[in-house]
Amino acid sequence: QKEVEQDPGPLSVPEGAIVSLNCTYSNSAFQYFMWYRQYSRKGPELLMYTYSSGNKEDGRFTAQVDKSSKYISLFIRDSQPSDSATYLCAMIKSGGSNYKLTFGKGTLLTVNP
Amino acid sequence: DTAVSQTPKYLVTQMGNDKSIKCEQNLGHDTMYWYKQDSKKFLKIMFSYNNKELIINETVPNRFSPKSPDKAHLNLHINSLELGDSAVYFCASSQATSGYTFGSGTRLTVV
Repeated sequence: QKEVEQDPGPLSVPEGAIVSLNCTYSNSAFQYFMWYRQYSRKGPELLMYTYSSGNKEDGRFTAQVDKSSKYISLFIRDSQPSDSATYLCAMIKSGGSNYKLTFGKGTLLTVNP
Repeated sequence: DTAVSQTPKYLVTQMGNDKSIKCEQNLGHDTMYWYKQDSKKFLKIMFSYNNKELIINETVPNRFSPKSPDKAHLNLHINSLELGDSAVYFCASSQATSGYTFGSGTRLTVV
């Protein structure tokens, strides 16, 4: 079993829909959680960073962390065609100076006009 | 001003050649990384340097050798390139767990 599981999709939604993206993880040592957006042929771009259970909101994006269930989510409200990209969850374990990101496989999202 | 810049953007080379990829960050971060993204888009860490010291060396063939002349630069040299090395290589930097920023990638094709 991989440490971080993410449904690769693809996911196709109409413009204006609410999108829900999810990851689960198996190791409770993961304490820092991120969501990245990656457009085709570009580098990953940090969208959200959280380190505690609960919700964090930034514009149309909400990140949710449930450490007891080892489950994280990203919600996109009022989705736009410009949101079409691959969304990657990533996480870091606590302790030491090893800050390596462990990624999920990414979910390919298409928002149709 | 690009935060994490890497060159070249594209690299096409023959099997057996040696090549280098350069990375520079102007964010003042202490830690820099090399990640590899395979054809299925899966991103995996290769190396990490913290203040010029090697911190992470994942199970990468020793044909890959990173070098960090200072904390703003991290280069990747690859000897005797193989077909399986074809991938996109991303440089990244962070300040501990914060501000993790990626470059735009180097698309390496070995023919």
